[in-house]
Amino acid sequence: GAVVSQHPSWVICKSGTSVKIECRSLDFQATTMFWYRQFPKQSLMLMATSNEGSKATYEQGVEKDKFLINHASLTLSTLTVTSAHPEDSSFYICSARIGLGEKLFFGSGTQLSVL
Amino acid sequence: QKEVEQDPGPLSVPEGAIVSLNCTYSNSAFQYFMWYRQYSRKGPELLMYTYSSGNKEDGRFTAQVDKSSKYISLFIRDSQPSDSATYLCASGGSQGNLIFGKGTKLSVKP
Repeated sequence: GAVVSQHPSWVICKSGTSVKIECRSLDFQATTMFWYRQFPKQSLMLMATSNEGSKATYEQGVEKDKFLINHASLTLSTLTVTSAHPEDSSFYICSARIGLGEKLFFGSGTQLSVL
Repeated sequence: QKEVEQDPGPLSVPEGAIVSLNCTYSNSAFQYFMWYRQYSRKGPELLMYTYSSGNKEDGRFTAQVDKSSKYISLFIRDSQPSDSATYLCASGGSQGNLIFGKGTKLSVKP
């Protein structure tokens, strides 16, 4: 299957700092990328959908000023958690697909811990 | 009613057992059906992809889709301890995003 690379795999930061997570599709061009958040023993929670070259669409309840998403190219999307706080600690996962109805491939996830 | 319903389990079986995992969906426009396996603290891994109704087999895994009853299944034959993970079903149509079930946690005991 196609490969989606996500970095870093884990990050620890101080409260108030910003953290950037990268998601790359290595062997295909992803028209759409998705960002999810997952709490322990919980299911995936879709945060936002991003299409290359346009603004991300955020799910209800997700603060777009807190979670900045940039999808600058067909192979790269970034999620920046701004002014992180302990409640932002979570497992963040990205996914990418070539087009509607196509298979969705996931990155390996990023564990964020905010102290 | 959620668009994709999945029993969260947990489901515990002995090694070698046949495992049956199931989901139901409500949107008759859904045409794409996928099963993912997620190990703890890892991203989901695509196991099976099915378009429309029918069966698909890959090694020990068989995916079934019954569009008349809006029911999707994943069968695992000769289950192994390494199959212990959370299994997520997902469905979608040609116009929208995939909708995921909550996932079923499976434990295969040696």
